[in-house]
Amino acid sequence: DIQMTQSPASLSASLGETVTIECRASEDIYNGLAWYQQKPGKSPQLLIYNANSLHTGVPSRFSGSGSGTQYSLKINSLQSEDVASYFCQQYYDYPYTFGAGTKLELK
Amino acid sequence: EVQLVESGGGLVQPGASLKLSCVASGFTFSDYWMSWVRQTPGKTMEWIGDIKYDGSYTNYAPSLKNRFTISRDNAKSTLYLQMSNVRSEDTATYYCTRVGYYSSSVDYWGQGVMVTVSS
Repeated sequence: DIQMTQSPASLSASLGETVTIECRASEDIYNGLAWYQQKPGKSPQLLIYNANSLHTGVPSRFSGSGSGTQYSLKINSLQSEDVASYFCQQYYDYPYTFGAGTKLELK
Repeated sequence: EVQLVESGGGLVQPGASLKLSCVASGFTFSDYWMSWVRQTPGKTMEWIGDIKYDGSYTNYAPSLKNRFTISRDNAKSTLYLQMSNVRSEDTATYYCTRVGYYSSSVDYWGQGVMVTVSS
């Protein structure tokens, strides 16, 4: 199985700040990577697919980048509604696997 | 609007069987691969498996394939997860999910259904 190592596990940031979350795959996943946001008590929602494509309706302050084994999610100008947990997922190879998540809080 | 509504969860004893259902609406169900994902109480996400749009092909997480079966009824726009010989470690929230048309990411998630395995 492909292992996804996500960091940091938790993050505290101020409104307006830029935040970066990273995922490292145990092998090349050829951009087969998605990022999800899960707000407290809610289901996850897709933010980014194919490593850098923004899902419909997702604010442009979210962006994804990376290649090979290293990927990142960047949130520009942090808003209060961005307080959530974020997960990466690889879907390059079965079984699809998730990172452990990053909990983002406001400072 | 895409909607995925799960049902069938609850408290179940170890060793028992349980079948989850998910009714889909707001899109042409038979055009999409579908999958199940679960989230443990500790918030770990685990991909369970997926099924081809016509039901002819399934993939499973190796650790679950001997106990879990995914099926679908396109006439009823319904996805199923049959769980057998459940264990305490199967306690989780189970999400019905739609696989994206242009990638294999999950583009929509249901609200989730809780399954608790306990005697």
